[in-house]
Order: sequence, then structure tokens, then C-alpha cells
Amino acid sequence: NAGVTQTPKFQVLKTGQSMTLQCAQDMNHEYMSWYRQDPGMGLRLIHYSVGAGITDQGEVPNGYNVSRSTTEDFPLRLLSAAPSQTSVYFCASTKGLAGENEQFFGPGTRLTVL
Amino acid sequence: GNSVTQMEGPVTLSEEAFLTINCTYTATGYPSLFWYVQYPGEGLQLLLKATKADDKGSNKGFEATYRKETTSFHLEKGSVQVSDSAVYFCALHQGAQKLVFGQGTRLTINP
Repeated sequence: NAGVTQTPKFQVLKTGQSMTLQCAQDMNHEYMSWYRQDPGMGLRLIHYSVGAGITDQGEVPNGYNVSRSTTEDFPLRLLSAAPSQTSVYFCASTKGLAGENEQFFGPGTRLTVL
Repeated sequence: GNSVTQMEGPVTLSEEAFLTINCTYTATGYPSLFWYVQYPGEGLQLLLKATKADDKGSNKGFEATYRKETTSFHLEKGSVQVSDSAVYFCALHQGAQKLVFGQGTRLTINP
């Protein structure tokens, strides 16, 4: 199993550009989520999905869109990039919805918006 | 709302020293508690967890006890190694699989 994979690893955008961060998992996990990691702030939840066709907002959803057409894939779209979106983005997946289940994280995408 | 507070970092120790990283939380009900570790250039991975009061999670020599009376989940290790250098995150589960993270504590172990 590859686990959770993310592409690209690094990306530089100009203000106003759009792009999609890719996330895929091969563990047949129902739950997937996107976090951003900023210095001194831990990880903050952007969007999450409890299954194909179902998504919901997390703590910091503004400026981002998601969709979940398959169990495996959960792309994150930046509609019009802003410098405030410079961050490291992590995708995670979990089997089931039980609170004690481990979340598996991808290696991250480091995004810089100029 | 629910929140997690970790001790400020960075923390620098010598090899074989005793480690404590403090974590306290605010939550309604009885959340599950976690410690995740992030090694340089990698994503987070679960280190240990506890799902109810007085449970002790342990892994790789690290331990943490779920203390409801003090709303704490402090991470400890008796003798740290250089390979333990990483960023450590305390987190709680807040329904529908939402994890609430602390701000992270960077640990550096010198030989």
C-alpha cells in the first residue's frame, strides 16, 4: 500500500492563480480531510469528507473548494490564490468515523503564494 | 469550543535526558486524546493515544496518561535519543473525526 499520497510536493503561485492539490489513498478509508499547517498554530482543518459525494467545511474553509467523486481521491482547489494561503497542506484519511481511529497523513505540499 | 494547549517550544535536551511535554485541553464530554509526531520533511504519524480517563498510551518508550481531573495528557520519555528530534502535536477528537491540534512543540536532542 502507498498509504496517502499528495502531489505536488512544492508549488509556487502568483496571487490570483488557481491550482489543485491532489490527494489519494489506497486504504479504502471513508473519511478524508485537508489541513493547513502554519508556524505556531498547529494544524487547522480546511475541509473534510465522510464518504464519496459528501463534503463539509472545517475551521478555515474560505478560499478553498473540495469534491469527493471517489473513495480514493480528495482534491483541494485554490480558486484565486492569496499570500495568506502560503502554508504547508496535509491530506489525511481514516477508516470509519470512530473517534479513536488513527488518521494517516500524506507527506504534505508546501505552497508559496507570491 | 474545544482547544488544546501545549508547552511552548523549542525544547532542546541532551541525549538520555528525561522528557516532558505538557498538554492540557478544554472539551465538553470525554474526548479521545492523541500525540502525533512529525519528523523532518514528513507528514504526521500517530505516536500514541488514550480514549478514556486514566488510560495510559505508550509507544517507542513514550507514555502519556489521560487525566480528566487536570484535563491533561502530558508526554513523557525516560531517556531520549537523537532520533526523537521532531515536532510533537497533542490533539483531541472532536466529533465526526475532527481533530483539534495544539500548536506543536519542536524537540531537538543533542548527542
